[in-house]
Amino acid sequence: NAGVTQTPKFRILKIGQSMTLQCAQDMNHNYMYWYRQDPGMGLKLIYYSVGAGITDKGEVPNGYNVSRSTTEDFPLRLELAAPSQTSVYFCASVGNTIYFGEGSWLTVV
Amino acid sequence: TQLLEQSPQFLSIQEGENLTVYCNSSSVFSSLQWYRQEPGEGPVLLVTVVTGGEVKKLKRLTFQFGDARKDSSLHITAAQPGDTGLYLCAGGDFNKFYFGSGTKLNVKP
Repeated sequence: NAGVTQTPKFRILKIGQSMTLQCAQDMNHNYMYWYRQDPGMGLKLIYYSVGAGITDKGEVPNGYNVSRSTTEDFPLRLELAAPSQTSVYFCASVGNTIYFGEGSWLTVV
Repeated sequence: TQLLEQSPQFLSIQEGENLTVYCNSSSVFSSLQWYRQEPGEGPVLLVTVVTGGEVKKLKRLTFQFGDARKDSSLHITAAQPGDTGLYLCAGGDFNKFYFGSGTKLNVKP
């Protein structure tokens, strides 16, 4: 049972590049979330999904897109990377409790 | 705009001291959670409170949910160096969880 798996763990992007952060869970959870965490700060909700085919914006959605074609996967897309998107990204899913992935460290230079 | 405000932001104390961390909001939440996060890792859930006025104890940690379900406190008795970390509160609003900005605790031996 892998829980919530995020890839990649670390990535350096150049300004203007695009990339996708992958998130997968094997617990058959409907609720999934993407957060970003800046150094020493709390987590801010980017997007969330309550089930396959349904996504909605959180607190800080600008510059990101998501999709939820299956229950298991919830990828986060950065289309035109900007330095302000340098952060740690956490994916989470909710069942009887909330499960976090190990995080993806993204640097935009 | 931060939905959840935590105070203090930083706390440095000696081993054996007691401390209280606060989490306040103008919004009512259906549940409130407390997490502890260590550097380089994802948040780890400590407790969930759902009923106004609820008090939960976890060894030396005491959690209280305000009567109006807008605020919460975390009290640590006889703090130990192993309690060092970033403490985060998160408010549940049906489908979403909003996090506070965190309290960074350092317990010196």
